[in-house]
Amino acid sequence: DADVTQTPRNRITKTGKRIMLECSQTKGHDRMYWYRQDPGLGLRLIYYSFDVKDINKGEISDGYSVSRQAQAKFSLSLESAIPNQTALYFCATSDRDPGQGDSYEQYFGPGTRLTVT
Amino acid sequence: RKEVEQDPGPFNVPEGATVAFNCTYSNSASQSFFWYRQDCRKEPKLLMSVYSSGNEDGRFTAQLNRASQYISLLIRDSKLSDSATYLCVVSLTFLTPLVFGKGTRLSVIA
Repeated sequence: DADVTQTPRNRITKTGKRIMLECSQTKGHDRMYWYRQDPGLGLRLIYYSFDVKDINKGEISDGYSVSRQAQAKFSLSLESAIPNQTALYFCATSDRDPGQGDSYEQYFGPGTRLTVT
Repeated sequence: RKEVEQDPGPFNVPEGATVAFNCTYSNSASQSFFWYRQDCRKEPKLLMSVYSSGNEDGRFTAQLNRASQYISLLIRDSKLSDSATYLCVVSLTFLTPLVFGKGTRLSVIA
C-alpha cells in the first residue's frame, strides 16, 4: 500500500461548488503539506502543518482552507471553486527531526487532478 | 529575483550523452539542497541531496557552490529512462518548508 494517499485522484466540479481533497499517510510523519502544480509555474505551496495543532499559510493560500484532523490526515478545501483553481494538487509529508541523511525528504502522494468548469 | 531559478529546457540529448543542469538560489543563508525528479503527471521523488563536498550516486553527480549560490546536477551516460523533469530544491532551515524550482525538462532520445 502507498505511504501517502490522496482522494479523489480525479475530480471535475463546477464553479462555486465546495470541494474537499483528502490526504492520508502511514509514514508516521508530523509534517504535511499541500501544493498545487500548474504548467510553467512549478510546485507552489498552499498550506503546511508541522504538527496537529499547527497550520501555516503557504505562498498561495487565498481561496483554500485546510484541516489537520489527525497526525495522519490533512484535508484541503476549496470553499467556492473557480476555474483558475484547475490544477494538479499534491499532498506531501516529511519527518520532524532532522537526524542524518535525507531527513528533509518530502514524500508526495500521487496527486489529485482537479478541473473546475 | 525568484528564490530558486532553473533553465526550463527542454534539454534534448542522445542516449549516452552527458548533460548538466544548473540552478541558482537567492538566499545565501540556505542550508540544504536537493534534486528531485518528476516523471510526467507523477509525483516528485527525491533523486539526491547535495552536500558541500559534492556527492555522486552512480551516473549522477551533484555539486554545490555556496560562493556563487548555485547547484548543479550532472548525468553521465544518459538513458532513455532519465527523461523527466528535474527539480532543484532549497531549504533555509529545518523549520521552513522546502522551496522548489520550476524544473528542467530532460528528454533522452534513442
